[in-house]
Amino acid sequence: EAQVTQNPRYLITVTGKKLTVTCSQNMNHEYMSWYRQDPGLGLRQIYYSMNVEVTDKGDVPEGYKVSRKEKRNFPLILESPSPNQTSLYFCASSLLQGGGEQYFGPGTRLTVT
Amino acid sequence: RKEVEQDPGPFNVPEGATVAFNCTYSNSASQSFFWYRQDCRKEPKLLMSVYSSGNEDGRFTAQLNRASQYISLLIRDSKLSDSATYLCGPRDNFNKFYFGSGTKLNVKP
Repeated sequence: EAQVTQNPRYLITVTGKKLTVTCSQNMNHEYMSWYRQDPGLGLRQIYYSMNVEVTDKGDVPEGYKVSRKEKRNFPLILESPSPNQTSLYFCASSLLQGGGEQYFGPGTRLTVT
Repeated sequence: RKEVEQDPGPFNVPEGATVAFNCTYSNSASQSFFWYRQDCRKEPKLLMSVYSSGNEDGRFTAQLNRASQYISLLIRDSKLSDSATYLCGPRDNFNKFYFGSGTKLNVKP
């Protein structure tokens, strides 16, 4: 089954404790992206990647890091989480050719206390 | 100014009604346009793609007006199961994706 998976789905952590949210897709998509979704603000792009070893900042990259060492994986790293990073996070992937529609993972609900 | 603007709603309509949402975008380089459906606390799921003037899939019709920079989504014969938030999302020719904040639809019996 074609899908985007994220782990963990739910995470409660404390300020400053490094964490990683994994994202994996099995559709051989070149493009992968991370978004956060907050009430009233919609989906905001954090980082995106057009291919292996190619990453770029989105609209709200501060406090986040990413890496793209393999085509299928695109982990999101919070080196020192803060309460304002409490949010719902979605990973998405897309082909660059063709339609370009994005497929989203199930989401990770992060709470930083 | 936001890249993508949507009326947040909520749109409260009875079953069987026809409802239309608009989405305006500011980036004239937008090439492809997408409507996603998002249920509460779930991931957005692709509803329709629009590449030229419009697209139709059953009860759903999307239309694109490049001159005025907006796309619309029309839902005919609304079902209770159509209740969700509908996100508009253009993609520009640099492969940058944008999203509106979504329009909430409540279909009532």
